[in-house]
Amino acid sequence: GQNIDQPTEMTATEGAIVQINCTYQTSGFNGLFWYQQHAGEAPTFLSYNVLDGLEEKGRFSSFLSRSKGYSYLLLKELQMKDSASYLCAVTDSNYQLIWGAGTKLIIKP
Amino acid sequence: ETGVTQTPRHLVMGMTNKKSLKCEQHLGHNAMYWYKQSAKKPLELMFVYNFKEQTENNSVPSRFSPECPNSSHLFLHLHTLQPEDSALYLCASSQDRGRMSYEQYFGPGTRLTVT
Repeated sequence: GQNIDQPTEMTATEGAIVQINCTYQTSGFNGLFWYQQHAGEAPTFLSYNVLDGLEEKGRFSSFLSRSKGYSYLLLKELQMKDSASYLCAVTDSNYQLIWGAGTKLIIKP
Repeated sequence: ETGVTQTPRHLVMGMTNKKSLKCEQHLGHNAMYWYKQSAKKPLELMFVYNFKEQTENNSVPSRFSPECPNSSHLFLHLHTLQPEDSALYLCASSQDRGRMSYEQYFGPGTRLTVT
């Protein structure tokens, strides 16, 4: 079966750095997405990785290793507004988007 | 209006009621999606429309009936629902269904409670 694993919840301190991991087992691979979802709001796109390596976008970076079926989202200089759920999703060989259950990130002052 | 809009934002209905959820996208996209989001579970894809044609129905019970009259509008008709159908229903759109790199844009969702 197809599966995406990410931690259920993480806690970090304002101003610090946090890494949210995502591992996947899917039928083929055509890219990996990270989305941010604040409580009661719509998921919003953060990043897309299809090749191995690190993609940096401001305070957020996303890393992919296809051979390991592994990605992480790195958030730097954490702000209180970064408190949200972070969803990892993989596009399989049929262009189906397989979603993880999300990681709830709690930022403490 | 911009982006993806959904109405109503909240809905409480009895098991014998019939109601409809509406989604509209103002992005010029060709693919639209219905998702179910339950607490601490992955997003469940329900239906996909690409260029107004339904391309996927992921074993969704017949008490959920989608309708896509054009590329900008998507409806989800509900009838004789069960309490376990209570969830957040999200609509999304993307450029089209076939390209792997197209991100999806989500609406704010309809919080559905079945009593």
